[in-house]
Amino acid sequence: DIVMTQTPLSSPVTLGQPASISCRSSQSLVHSDGNTYVSWLQQRPGQPPRLLIYKISNRFSGVPDRFSGSGTGTDFTLKISRVEAEDVGIYYCMQGTHFPHTFGQGTQLEIK
Amino acid sequence: EVQLLESGGGLVQPGGSLRLSCEASGFTFSSYVMSWVRQAPGKGLEWVSAISNSGDRTDYPDSVKGRFTISRDNFKNAVYLQMNSLRAEDTAVYYCTRRDSGWKDYWGQGTLVTVSS
Repeated sequence: DIVMTQTPLSSPVTLGQPASISCRSSQSLVHSDGNTYVSWLQQRPGQPPRLLIYKISNRFSGVPDRFSGSGTGTDFTLKISRVEAEDVGIYYCMQGTHFPHTFGQGTQLEIK
Repeated sequence: EVQLLESGGGLVQPGGSLRLSCEASGFTFSSYVMSWVRQAPGKGLEWVSAISNSGDRTDYPDSVKGRFTISRDNFKNAVYLQMNSLRAEDTAVYYCTRRDSGWKDYWGQGTLVTVSS
């Protein structure tokens, strides 16, 4: 199975400042169809996960443009340009290229 | 508006069985692969089953293979997870998700399964 490793596991951030989460996969996530199926999910406290980003850098419907994704091959990044209070929660990367689809272990975003 | 509503969770003894249901609305259900993902208390996300849009193909990780069975009814817009031989480590919130290509775009609120004597 593909292992998705996120860093850091915890990220204290000041409101209004940027935040960045990295995700590294144990194999290339480029699919035979040419797409790279890396997505990012946000889980606010007490809530189910919510899709933020798909195919590395595409924002899902309703996601604020302060969220952005980037990366290639095995290294991917989620960035929040200016952290707001509502961004507190756990962030997961997920790969959907290889079966079974697997998740990173999660990064806790908290406000300093 | 896409909605996924899970039900059927509860407390069950080790070795027991439980059937989860997920009612879908707001989209053409028969066009999508559906999955179940679980989250143990305080832990991360683990995919536990998937079913093709027509229902002719199902997949499971080794951790539940032979014990869990996913099925769907495209007339009722519902997907099910039959869980047998339950173990303490199956205790988790179980989420119904819709899969679009290589990502899971919609998630239900989840239903809690507790396996304990």
